[in-house]
Amino acid sequence: AQKITQTQPGMFVQEKEAVTLDCTYDTSDQSYGLFWYKQPSSGEMIFLIYQGSYDEQNATEGRYSLNFQKARKSANLVISASQLGDSAMYFCAMREGGWSQFYFGTGTSLTVIP
Amino acid sequence: GAVVSQHPSWVICKSGTSVKIECRSLDFQATTMFWYRQFPKQSLMLMATSNEGSKATYEQGVEKDKFLINHASLTLSTLTVTSAHPEDSSFYICSARGSRADEQFFGPGTRLTVL
Repeated sequence: AQKITQTQPGMFVQEKEAVTLDCTYDTSDQSYGLFWYKQPSSGEMIFLIYQGSYDEQNATEGRYSLNFQKARKSANLVISASQLGDSAMYFCAMREGGWSQFYFGTGTSLTVIP
Repeated sequence: GAVVSQHPSWVICKSGTSVKIECRSLDFQATTMFWYRQFPKQSLMLMATSNEGSKATYEQGVEKDKFLINHASLTLSTLTVTSAHPEDSSFYICSARGSRADEQFFGPGTRLTVL
């Protein structure tokens, strides 16, 4: 079974609008962390936001927020007020407990339209 | 924040040669590093987990003898692609976990092209 599922291969959003990128995960661990990364065409992985499994509040970092629904095992990324520079690939990832592997979803390609 | 570097950033080699890629944690000690491969427009696929002072743990389907990993110090892990072939052409990225749960640092990647 896939550890991380991103069902939107591509998304389009109008500049200045908000967009939600979906992510569901699968784990039996109680302790885990969820991450979102942005990967522009240069290839570097840019950290956006983190949500720990025990965090009760949804994480927020500037224009990024994470809609964490633990019972549904979803960790959707919300980008508010989209900018042209937000056009990139976005990856959801999970680390289960300890120092174990870091799993990535298949990614969503976001295009911001002027 | 902590930085992970990779060298080289890109390399072109002839089929049959070996290529070594270095991954360094610049301002922290990384007992565990991860190596990923990414094909165009695809996700990062974990190849192996590199542990300082011990053998790497490879993911299913990754050839140990082809992708040699050495983690000789707390700041350096190397990936050597032996007898490279055109199908090994890819983007290789290393990663290291920081001391906090929310820290996972990535190198800038190495683009390998095998002719």
